[in-house]
Amino acid sequence: EPEVTQTPSHQVTQMGQEVILRCVPISNHLYFYWYRQILGQKVEFLVSFYNNEISEKSEIFDDQFSVERPDGSNFTLKIRSTKLEDSAMYFCASTNNEQFFGPGTRLTVL
Amino acid sequence: AQKVTQAQTEISVVEKEDVTLDCVYETRDTTYYLFWYKQPPSGELVFLIRRNSFDEQNEISGRYSWNFQKSTSSFNFTITASQVVDSAVYFCALSEAGNTDKLIFGTGTRLQVFP
Repeated sequence: EPEVTQTPSHQVTQMGQEVILRCVPISNHLYFYWYRQILGQKVEFLVSFYNNEISEKSEIFDDQFSVERPDGSNFTLKIRSTKLEDSAMYFCASTNNEQFFGPGTRLTVL
Repeated sequence: AQKVTQAQTEISVVEKEDVTLDCVYETRDTTYYLFWYKQPPSGELVFLIRRNSFDEQNEISGRYSWNFQKSTSSFNFTITASQVVDSAVYFCALSEAGNTDKLIFGTGTRLQVFP
């Protein structure tokens, strides 16, 4: 069964550093998403991506965040200068009606 | 504005008990979709069900059943004869058609099933 994959599973970084979280969506899906879940809290929408551009973004998705689909398979989330409050689980998802989520990347900012 | 409310923060039951997780939603759209996801301790989000706003039939899948009532804007989830493996956080979510299909999640209900 096709699945969304994410790498790395856990990333530890120093405050102020740039991080890139990687996702490989399901191949025939057209919409891609990033969500964030701060520990113990709900899952929050960050951004949706369609036809090689952002289709919607939330208030959380400020200038520090960017997304890219550098080739036909990868979908990345970049945080330019990480803050302590960026520590969270980041989920990638893709959809063809149901949203399939990747296993998540746990980002820890020290 | 869209909103999903899961008023039950945590529920504890003993194995074999039935348990119902409540979900109330708000939306102005007439076409929308409702979801339930399970998040076990390992952290991944496991899709359980997707229901569109025009289908109010209750659904049963093994020990799981869902009750969708538009009149009360609720989409409740019942686990029959609960098992320890059902212990997880359960999230209800909403997406509005034509709105990039982004999911708006509730705050989740932590279910603990004790042996």
